[in-house]
Amino acid sequence: TQLLEQSPQFLSIQEGENLTVYCNSSSVFSSLQWYRQEPGEGPVLLVTVVTGGEVKKLKRLTFQFGDARKDSSLHITAAQPGDTGLYLCAGGRDNRLAFGKGNQVVVIP
Amino acid sequence: DAGITQSPRHKVTETGTPVTLRCHQTENHRYMYWYRQDPGHGLRLIHYSYGVKDTDKGEVSDGYSVSRSKTEDFLLTLESATSSQTSVYFCAIRETGSKSSYNEQFFGPGTRLTVL
Repeated sequence: TQLLEQSPQFLSIQEGENLTVYCNSSSVFSSLQWYRQEPGEGPVLLVTVVTGGEVKKLKRLTFQFGDARKDSSLHITAAQPGDTGLYLCAGGRDNRLAFGKGNQVVVIP
Repeated sequence: DAGITQSPRHKVTETGTPVTLRCHQTENHRYMYWYRQDPGHGLRLIHYSYGVKDTDKGEVSDGYSVSRSKTEDFLLTLESATSSQTSVYFCAIRETGSKSSYNEQFFGPGTRLTVL
């Protein structure tokens, strides 16, 4: 059973467009993280959200944690080819992280 | 840079042979993790360690063992490799100090293992 469901699994957009991807769960997490992974490399931490309703911005990326701390979204404004990658969400519980399967984003120049 | 290295980076082996993957960190982190990443499954936890000689199982631990005799090294062993263990293996450390409650993890570059 996948604790975290990410949607859409794959998204292809043109440079300059906006996009939003989602991470949903029926479980409550003490924290939720977003990672980006490029081919042949390990995931790289982008952000951690811990408070229900929290919004964090990282340049053109906006991360939101749901009020009930069960879901999150990532919005990219004016996407660039450098935003291409696999975006993974992960929920923290005890000493472990549960990962979603990822949102594969391709930004076409 | 969390100072994590993995070795080897690539390995091809045959079914039934033992394989050991090494994760090395330079910053004295207490928690270390081994994951495997497969298409359609995402990242899945194999084992983790919370100190020297202290380890616990993850969700896909069957067929794997781990050892941690020193803080800096966490070894993953496949006693008798099978084709289903063909995967990319990632080691991670958990940030400690003031951020330790958030379980932020930092990953190594991965090891691509092929079992023929």
